Amino acid sequence: QQQVKQSPQSLIVQKGGISIINCAYENTAFDYFPWYQQFPGKGPALLIAIRPDVSEKKEGRFTISFNKSANQFSLHIMDSQPGDSATYFCAASSVKGGGADGLTFGKGTHLIIQP
Amino acid sequence: NAGVTQTPKFQVLKTGQSMTLQCAQDMNHEYMSWYRQDPGMGLRLIHYSVGAGITDQGEVPNGYNVSRSTTEDFPLRLLSAAPSQTSVYFCASSVTEWNTEAFFGQGTRLTVV
Repeated sequence: QQQVKQSPQSLIVQKGGISIINCAYENTAFDYFPWYQQFPGKGPALLIAIRPDVSEKKEGRFTISFNKSANQFSLHIMDSQPGDSATYFCAASSVKGGGADGLTFGKGTHLIIQP
Repeated sequence: NAGVTQTPKFQVLKTGQSMTLQCAQDMNHEYMSWYRQDPGMGLRLIHYSVGAGITDQGEVPNGYNVSRSTTEDFPLRLLSAAPSQTSVYFCASSVTEWNTEAFFGQGTRLTVV
């Protein structure tokens, strides 16, 4: 059972455009939603994260939008740049899980920003 | 500040061989975990530890053992490698057990032939 569904699987965006990646979760106990960025041959790196007490969080060109009623959250990359080309993973975890579930990851989105 | 260090970066094993993947962190984090990453699968939790002397199983623990004798180190052992264990392995550490501010190592690419 996949608890975090991520879409699209791959995405091509023109330089300067907006990249949007969506995730939907099934476990309503999740209460921490990070996004990770991974470059080839590297480990995932935390990009931005949100808790369910806010509907949006912005850090520079990266914004998370959170829709608690729909169990969905999304990553928006504004003014996308070629250096943003990477694989992006959404994830979720639960304080109540006490660590047993760790981070539950989506399957990833391969983002390509065309110059 | 090195963060999370994994060794080796690459490894080829024959079926049935054993080996240990090393992971060390210098951030004094209590929570550490191991994930495997397979194409199109995201990352899946293998084992985790909430502190020295305490370990538990994650989603895909079969074929792997862990121990946590110190806060800094969290090795992953493959007792008898199988081709199904061909994967990229990532170690992570975080301040809290619900993985806020989790830091990942660079990964170990393991091939079992």
